[in-house]
Amino acid sequence: GENVEQHPSTLSVQEGDSAVIKCTYSDSASNYFPWYKQELGKRPQLIIDIRSNVGEKKDQRIAVTLNKTAKHFSLHITETQPEDSAVYFCAAWASKIIFGSGTRLSIRP
Amino acid sequence: DAGVIQSPRHEVTEMGQEVTLRCKPISGHDYLFWYRQTMMRGLELLIYFNNNVPIDDSGMPEDRFSAKMPNASFSTLKIQPSEPRDSAVYFCASSPGLNQPQHFGDGTRLSIL
Repeated sequence: GENVEQHPSTLSVQEGDSAVIKCTYSDSASNYFPWYKQELGKRPQLIIDIRSNVGEKKDQRIAVTLNKTAKHFSLHITETQPEDSAVYFCAAWASKIIFGSGTRLSIRP
Repeated sequence: DAGVIQSPRHEVTEMGQEVTLRCKPISGHDYLFWYRQTMMRGLELLIYFNNNVPIDDSGMPEDRFSAKMPNASFSTLKIQPSEPRDSAVYFCASSPGLNQPQHFGDGTRLSIL
């Protein structure tokens, strides 16, 4: 069945530096790839998404890239700030949505 | 818009009891999803509905779990009988279409003693 692998599981970066989180998926029929941010004790919230007909999408400090051939997609956060600290989940939609295992991002002041 | 509304926010009950979780999706959203989140298994899709009809329930762990959507504004997830391993945070989410952004509720933190 569909599988989504996410790396790294934890990531610590200096404030102002960039953070990159990577995901791979197994089902080549996957066509929608959302990213969610979840703060401690809160609900997941969509931060950006990309569809299979697009290679890259940006929204201010956040960008997502998609490589359909390699079946991987990545989240890039530039100029990180303390409020970026959270758990980030990638997901892939084929016949159903499958979430990655999450990345705990910590921003060091 | 009030967003997706879940109740209760917290539930503590003894094993063997019936548990009912409730969800009100965003008005106009045709899709409703139930998820379970644990440290060990992460965020798992249990079941989703389209226009009140269950589409995929392959994530429902056992026959003890059941979900219904009697109308467009209400869904329930029921566990009967409950077991300690059912302890988790259960999220409901809705979206206007398939492969569209999902809006999550605040979740129900369930503890089975």
